[in-house]
Amino acid sequence: GAGVSQSPSNKVTEKGKDVELRCDPISGHTALYWYRQSLGQGLEFLIYFQGNSAPDKSGLPSDRFSAERTGGSVSTLTIQRTQQEDSAVYLCASSLGPGMQYEQYFGPGTRLTVT
Amino acid sequence: GESVGLHLPTLSVQEGDNSIINCAYSNSASDYFIWYKQESGKGPQFIIDIRSNMDKRQGQRVTVLLNKTVKHLSLQIAATQPGDSAVYFCAENTGGFKTIFGAGTRLFVKA
Repeated sequence: GAGVSQSPSNKVTEKGKDVELRCDPISGHTALYWYRQSLGQGLEFLIYFQGNSAPDKSGLPSDRFSAERTGGSVSTLTIQRTQQEDSAVYLCASSLGPGMQYEQYFGPGTRLTVT
Repeated sequence: GESVGLHLPTLSVQEGDNSIINCAYSNSASDYFIWYKQESGKGPQFIIDIRSNMDKRQGQRVTVLLNKTVKHLSLQIAATQPGDSAVYFCAENTGGFKTIFGAGTRLFVKA
């Protein structure tokens, strides 16, 4: 079956521009996560959506970062006024339900380069 | 795909040998641990997990060992194959949805 997909796979943008990254989770998965992975680092949690509940935004590094999830399915991560330190791979994951007992399935990521 | 980390600790093993990848976790309250494998250009993939009430769990060719006394986790891969070459992450969870990932170890398998 189809896994988690993300688009674009690569994005190069100029400093100061806004970018939108898209995630299509596995159909039927109610939980969706966004992570950031910088070179030589592990995954940094950004935001978590579960069903129709308010998202947990505790990992967003600044107010330039926002995310939404429409209709409990597709999610968009928006970075406004991009900075060079935003360059990283942005990974999306989905799971059948909330909590650690549900395996997270990851997409291939979007590599963002801010020049 | 491109590398996800150019400055990671690296383990190089001969094909057919056993591999041991180590991880120190940070939170003594963590009660669930996961190992992930990430191949170049792909997202992490679940390998095996273990709960804090266990100290060993075996899967197919993989074994995870947990030492809560020193907050140490290890992943053992038996008869390592070229397809095992990847970056391996340990992750910890204290319950709920938030999982904390380690920095990763790159495994090279020499043919």
